[in-house]
Order: sequence, then structure tokens, then C-alpha cells
Amino acid sequence: QLQLQESGSGLVKPSETLSLTCAVSGGAISSGGYSWSWIRQPPGKGLEWIGYIYHSGSTDYNPSLKSRVTISVDRSKNQISLKLSSVTAADTAVYYCARGFSHSSWHFDYWGQGTLVTVSS
Amino acid sequence: SYVLTQPPSVSVAPGQTARITCGGNNIGSNNVHWYQQKPGQAPVLVVYDGSDRPSGIPERFSGSNSGNTATLTVSRVEAGDEADYYCQVWDSSSDQEVFGGGTELTVL
Repeated sequence: QLQLQESGSGLVKPSETLSLTCAVSGGAISSGGYSWSWIRQPPGKGLEWIGYIYHSGSTDYNPSLKSRVTISVDRSKNQISLKLSSVTAADTAVYYCARGFSHSSWHFDYWGQGTLVTVSS
Repeated sequence: SYVLTQPPSVSVAPGQTARITCGGNNIGSNNVHWYQQKPGQAPVLVVYDGSDRPSGIPERFSGSNSGNTATLTVSRVEAGDEADYYCQVWDSSSDQEVFGGGTELTVL
């Protein structure tokens, strides 16, 4: 059974960089046919897609976050990472990593439990 | 960017049928995916590509999509179906995944 586990700093100061990792177990990130995403959810609000990294290593980002986001993969550690720069209070959210699978279009079939990141001085 | 509109809440009695809509311009031409999220938990995929169910999801969950509205139908609703439900599509015009605002399903 595939499992995803997010980790990283739970408190980040405004203007600094948020850094999270997602450790994948029960399957190899390098397996073809999948993508890996970060998705966030501000407290009491809905879901917002942050971006993908595909099996090829290419990325797609939410246009509204693109200038601040980097998603990368470490195949040796079987994990993906998220960096979000110049954070503000609006970036406070639960951050999820998720596996993307596509028959006709990408959907998210496995999710991590999520990690809360608070932006505050 | 593409906007998906969901009703904030839907209420239904146990054993009845709940229909949760997701409105978008010509959404019928998109593949729509649906997620269930219970309080304090990660979302769970319940329907993908409009009407397919992942393994382990009861047949009571079904999806349809036509014109400007996609619908998630939950038949024979149970207390355990109380949750927030989100629709999701890929917006090719802005190259991004888009989620609806979510619908809270309450079982009376």
C-alpha cells in the first residue's frame, strides 16, 4: 500500500521560504505513469493545487504561485520537495502531497495526511 | 481562470439520495473528479473521469457530467457519508488544476 508522509517546518516567518518534503513508501517515485503534486488547504477553506512534478522531471505550477514555487524530486530518497518563497499569512494552510494518476486526465488517488504550516512572526 | 461552482451545503435524510452539483462553463467536455473529505482528514477520491469509482468505493457513489453541470450522486445515504465534497478538473486554458469550493453534505 502506497503511503505518503509530509514533513517540514510548521512555523515560518513572513518573507521567508517554506520548505516541505513528502516521503513516499510502498512504491517507487521513479515508477512511470504517475505524477506527484502539492495541494494546500487554508484553515476552514477549500483545496488549492500548487503544482506537479511528472515522471519525466518536468513541472507544472499554479500560475498564481508560479513565481514563488519549486517542486523537486529526490529519487535516491524516494521523496518530493516543495519550496515556496516570500511567504505571507495567506500561505498559512495544511499542505498535502498527493500522487497523480491519469486515465483521461490527472486525478489524485493517494494523499498524505497533510501538515499544517503557519506563517507568523 | 476556470471557475467551478458548488453549493455550500446539501442536506438529506438517511436512506435518501444526495445530489451534489459542480457548475462550470461547458464542463461536460472535461473529465471531472470528486473527492470526499471528512473533518481532520485528507481528501479521498470517490469518483474519477466523471463516472468511474476507485476500488473500495461503494457503488452508492456515482457521477455524471453534461452541459454546464457535473453531478455526484450518493444513493442510500448513510451517516458516515457526512463530509465535504470537492470537484476537480484540469483547465487547459490556464494550465492548472481547479477545485470547486466544496459542498458540505449533512445527513439529517
